[in-house]
Amino acid sequence: EPEVTQTPSHQVTQMGQEVILRCVPISNHLYFYWYRQILGQKVEFLVSFYNNEISEKSEIFDDQFSVERPDGSNFTLKIRSTKLEDSAMYFCASRNSYEQYFGPGTRLTVT
Amino acid sequence: LAKTTQPISMDSYEGQEVNITCSHNNIATNDYITWYQQFPSQGPRFIIQGYKTKVTNEVASLFIPADRKSSTLSLPRVSLSDTAVYYCLVASNQAGTALIFGKGTTLSVSS
Repeated sequence: EPEVTQTPSHQVTQMGQEVILRCVPISNHLYFYWYRQILGQKVEFLVSFYNNEISEKSEIFDDQFSVERPDGSNFTLKIRSTKLEDSAMYFCASRNSYEQYFGPGTRLTVT
Repeated sequence: LAKTTQPISMDSYEGQEVNITCSHNNIATNDYITWYQQFPSQGPRFIIQGYKTKVTNEVASLFIPADRKSSTLSLPRVSLSDTAVYYCLVASNQAGTALIFGKGTTLSVSS
């Protein structure tokens, strides 16, 4: 069964550093998403992406965040200058007709 | 986006049928009802989706009354491995639409 993959599984970074989280969506999917989940809290939508542009974004997705599909397979989330409160699980998802398939997540720890 | 209300937690024993009810009084005409499951440190996983009446797949059934203001996820004969958080979501099926997660229902299955 096809699946969404994410790398790395765990990233530790220092406050103020830039991080790039990588995702490989399912190959024939056209819509891509990033969500995050702070430990013990609910899953929060960050951004959706289609046809090389952002479709929708939440209030969380401010100027510190950016997304890119640099080639035909990868989908990345960049955080320009990390803050302590950016520590969370970050999930990538991709969509077929109606179901969003989530990846296993990247645990980001900002120290 | 319609807000959903579901119980914070439920307990069950192996082999029992579990019914989790979700209320969504402000559901819009073009909204679908979707349920996701999440295990600790994993991404949410699609369980089932419906618009009205009853939908059944290999893992669950979804019952939606005529007024669509509530829905019930039914898990037949649960096992220990069904211990997870279950989310009820209401959203249009338009591609690119964000999934807005609530706190979900934490189901604990005991032997």
